[in-house]
Amino acid sequence: EDQVTQSPEALRLQEGESSSLNCSYTVSGLRGLFWYRQDPGKGPEFLFTLYSAGEEKEKERLKATLTKKESFLHITAPKPEDSATYLCALLYSNTGNQFYFGTGTSLTVIP
Amino acid sequence: GAGVSQSPSNKVTEKGKDVELRCDPISGHTALYWYRQRLGQGLEFLIYFQGNSAPDKSGLPSDRFSAERTGESVSTLTIQRTQQEDSAVYLCASTFSVTDTQYFGPGTRLTVL
Repeated sequence: EDQVTQSPEALRLQEGESSSLNCSYTVSGLRGLFWYRQDPGKGPEFLFTLYSAGEEKEKERLKATLTKKESFLHITAPKPEDSATYLCALLYSNTGNQFYFGTGTSLTVIP
Repeated sequence: GAGVSQSPSNKVTEKGKDVELRCDPISGHTALYWYRQRLGQGLEFLIYFQGNSAPDKSGLPSDRFSAERTGESVSTLTIQRTQQEDSAVYLCASTFSVTDTQYFGPGTRLTVL
């Protein structure tokens, strides 16, 4: 059973069309949930860390939220430069140093 | 340097050969991760180093894989007797601790023919 599920796999938005990406998890004992952005041919770039349910973080057009079972990455009025793959990663209290990454959501923002 | 660097950026090898991948972390970062990213898949944890502690090798897929790091310096990931299923991008990340922000290198794309 997958530890982390991201949806949708791919998302196409018109410039300015707001939407949300989802990261859901099934295992309890979350130590932290991390959001990354990955551009083609590059390593992931850190966006946010969330540690507890109810926590929210914002950066420019992005806002990350966390509940007990899932996290959302909200993108408000996206621009073409927001096109990338967005990854979430989970760190659990009973799995030591091992991070579990989702397969990502590929976002394309059309001008 | 300003960020994490990895070399080579691309490596093509023949099945059965050994390969060595290098990671130069950000100066001062005591912790270092190696990940594998297969096409269309998420990052797969391989190994974690923290200072002079024993590394967490729980993610290494087989005994053909090994990694070394001396103190807080360069790390090398070695894959012996490469197989076609080893083809992937190998990413390295450095950080201060397991709960801190990880800074990733650009990765090494390994192709095993």
